[in-house]
Amino acid sequence: GAVVSQHPSRVICKSGTSVKIECRSLDFQATTMFWYRQFPKQSLMLMATSNEGSKATYEQGVEKDKFLINHASLTLSTLTVTSAHPEDSSFYICSAREAAGINEQFFGPGTRLTVL
Amino acid sequence: GQNIDQPTEMTATEGAIVQINCTYQTSGFNGLFWYQQHAGEAPTFLSYNVLDGLEEKGRFSSFLSRSKGYSYLLLKELQMKDSASYLCAVVDSNYQLIWGAGTKLIIKP
Repeated sequence: GAVVSQHPSRVICKSGTSVKIECRSLDFQATTMFWYRQFPKQSLMLMATSNEGSKATYEQGVEKDKFLINHASLTLSTLTVTSAHPEDSSFYICSAREAAGINEQFFGPGTRLTVL
Repeated sequence: GQNIDQPTEMTATEGAIVQINCTYQTSGFNGLFWYQQHAGEAPTFLSYNVLDGLEEKGRFSSFLSRSKGYSYLLLKELQMKDSASYLCAVVDSNYQLIWGAGTKLIIKP
C-alpha cells in the first residue's frame, strides 16, 4: 500500500523559533498533499491543500505567513511553523493523494509539536 | 453549510457488536470514508463507500444510503484493540474531505 512518512515525529521547541515538518510519499507520486492540525479530543482540521509546483490553498482562519507550505516535488511537502507560540502546540498530520479524482488520502504518522 | 454528525462517544463490551452512525449534509457527494484513529496516532483507512449498500471487510462493515445522507460502521466480535476514535469523512463536490468530529469507542472487558 501507499506509504507516507513524516519527520520529525515529535519536536519540542522554544517560543519564537521556527519548526519545519517534512511529509514524503515513499512509493507513489503525490500530486496533492494536505496538512491537518488536530488538538486533543478534537477532529482533524484541514489547514491547507498543496499541489506540486503551485502555491498552497489555505483554509479560512489559517495564516499563510505563519504556516509556510512548500510542495516542490511530487514526493515532498514541507510545513514550516514560523515564530511558534505555545498555542501552536498540536498534532500535525499530512496526507497525500495520488491523482485528481482519486479520493483516498494516505496519512503520515503525524508530528507532535510542543512549544514551550 | 456542510455538516457531518456522529456520536461523541460509545461504549461496548468485548466480543459484542457495535454500530457507529454518521449523517451528513454536504455540497455534493463523491464518497464516504471511515477511518480509525488510535490516540496519538494518525488515522488509518477502514472503508470507502460511494454506492448504496453494505461493504463487508472482515469484522468491519460499512453501509451507505445516499438518499438519506446516512452511513454506519459496524464492528463485530469486538476486541480491546478496537478501542479508538472512528472518523466519518465525506468527499464533497470539490473532492475535499469533510470530517466528522469522530466517535470515541470504549471497549470494556
